[in-house]
Order: sequence, then C-alpha cells, then structure tokens
Amino acid sequence: SQQGEEDPQALSIQEGENATMNCSYKTSINNLQWYRQNSGRGLVHLILIRSNEREKHSGRLRVTLDTSKKSSSLLITASRAADTASYFCATDGDYTGKLIFGQGTTLQVKP
Amino acid sequence: EAGVAQSPRYKIIEKRQSVAFWCNPISGHATLYWYQQILGQGPKLLIQFQNNGVVDDSQLPKDRFSAERLKGVDSTLKIQPAKLEDSAVYLCASSLLGGSEAFFGQGTRLTVV
Repeated sequence: SQQGEEDPQALSIQEGENATMNCSYKTSINNLQWYRQNSGRGLVHLILIRSNEREKHSGRLRVTLDTSKKSSSLLITASRAADTASYFCATDGDYTGKLIFGQGTTLQVKP
Repeated sequence: EAGVAQSPRYKIIEKRQSVAFWCNPISGHATLYWYQQILGQGPKLLIQFQNNGVVDDSQLPKDRFSAERLKGVDSTLKIQPAKLEDSAVYLCASSLLGGSEAFFGQGTRLTVV
C-alpha cells in the first residue's frame, strides 16, 4: 500500500517560476523525505525533515511539514529545465522503519 | 564512496521463465530495500532487510518472488515463474538505518513477453 499521495500528479511551468507540490500521508511518522527521479534513472534523495521540524531549506528547495494535517509541501524556487523530473515523498511508515513512497508528481520545466 | 550496484541493467524473458537480480549495497548500510516500480507509478516496497533479517515482506508475492540477503551484505531477488504483470523496474536501495536517507541503484528494467 502507498503511504503518501502527491498532488498535483503533473505540473508544467516556465523556467524561472516556482513549483509547489504537496504530499499527504496516513500514519504517524518519524520523518518525511523527498526524492527526485529523472527519466529512466534511479531515485536521488533531496531532503529529509523530522517530525519535530516545521520547515527546512536546502539550496532552492524548501520543505514544510504539518504533522497535525499529515501533509508536507516541496517548493522549488527559480526552477530550471534541469529540474524536470518526477518527485516523490516517502515516509517511514508508523515508526516501523519501512520506507514507503507516494505516487509522485511529474514536473516539466519549459525553457 | 561507491554507490548501490545492481545487475543486470536490463532483462527480457518469456513468461513462466525465472529471473534473478543482484544488489550490492553501500558498505556499512544495515538496511536494504527492494522496490518494484511500474511505469508511471511510485516505487512499491517488496521487501526490507535489516542486516540479514526481514523487516517487512508484506507486499512480496511469495508464491513467485523470493529474496535473500546472505551475511547481511549482498542480496538477490528472484522471480519464478514470471508473469507479464511483473514487467517493471526493480530498484534496490540501502540506508544506514531503516527509514533514514536511502541510496538507490540504477535499477533493473525487466520486460516479460
């Protein structure tokens, strides 16, 4: 079963614009992670936010976490064509240590 | 630092045949995951090992899939017999601890014809 659900499923923006994608999950968590997957390649870890954190930044990435609403958002600022990829959230599944992924958001950044 | 190694990269087999995938995790990583990713979907966890013990295999179709992690290092995932619906990318990942940052291999793209 999938733990997280991303929204929107697909997003298309112009280079330089900001991209926001959301993730909702079902169970209690220790942390939530975001990964990127370029076409035909493996997943790359972007950022991890712990359950006691509300916001975290890494370069052009900003992640927020609202444990009361069981939701997270990933903001990519000043997007580039190279940001074109699928983005997945993953949670550790109710303290079990399992790593469960959502269905992902496909982002297209047009030059 | 060497990454997660998987082989083969691609495999085409006929239905009812068997196939095996191999994964070598990052040295020192206790946790190893196998995921199945069907085109257009998120990775689905098949099995998770902590050292050489199984943490979760609730979504592993045990009538045809098997996996082992000998000596808590390398792992193999086997499908026997394969079905058309097994066509997918099989991803291996490892992490220091369960639920922490995971490092993924490039995956094996399986096509069952």
